[in-house]
Amino acid sequence: EVQLVESGGGLIQPGGSLRLSCSPSGLIVSHNYISWVRQAPGKGLEWVSIIYAGGGTYYADSVNGRFTISRDNSKNMVSLQMNSLRAEDTAVYFCAGGESSSYFEYWGQGSLVTVSS
Amino acid sequence: SYVLTQPPSVSVGPGKTARITCGGNNIGSKGVHWYQQKPGQAPVLVISYGNDRPSGIPERFSGSNSGNTATLTISRVEGGDEADYYCQVWDSSSDHWVFGGGTKLTVL
Repeated sequence: EVQLVESGGGLIQPGGSLRLSCSPSGLIVSHNYISWVRQAPGKGLEWVSIIYAGGGTYYADSVNGRFTISRDNSKNMVSLQMNSLRAEDTAVYFCAGGESSSYFEYWGQGSLVTVSS
Repeated sequence: SYVLTQPPSVSVGPGKTARITCGGNNIGSKGVHWYQQKPGQAPVLVISYGNDRPSGIPERFSGSNSGNTATLTISRVEGGDEADYYCQVWDSSSDHWVFGGGTKLTVL
């Protein structure tokens, strides 16, 4: 059974930085496509970033230049470094992925990031 | 950027058929995927590539995709189907993954 577990969320002031981690079990990150998808309170889903099995990365326009996705194959972990955080980045951040680059087969339970002074 | 449009809400009686639409420019040429999300839970993939059901998803869930509209059909609706449903595509022109705004399914 595949499980994705997010960690690293919390309360952060505007302009601050935070690092989220995704630790899957039953899935090897270097062989799969792993994304971050967020959901602001009471809102819909928004794709944030993806790292390809081959290592390529892509970002939503709203976070490009501020967020960086990376992978540690030795720890089987994917991270999202979030800098210059804004109030509008407040959301539950889900780690999601699988063998397809087109859709998100497996999802974590999410990690809440709150950007507020 | 590519836009997907869903109705905010759909209501249906138990045992009836619910149809949730997802509109997009020439969406029939894209692979459309559908997710179910219940309150306080992570989304669950219910349909991939238009009409493929992952393991564990009931046959009552099906999909279609043509022209400018994709449709998720839920037959013999049950109370447990009450949830938010999102369509999603990969936009190859921008290498962005796009979600529709979501549709809240209410079982009367």
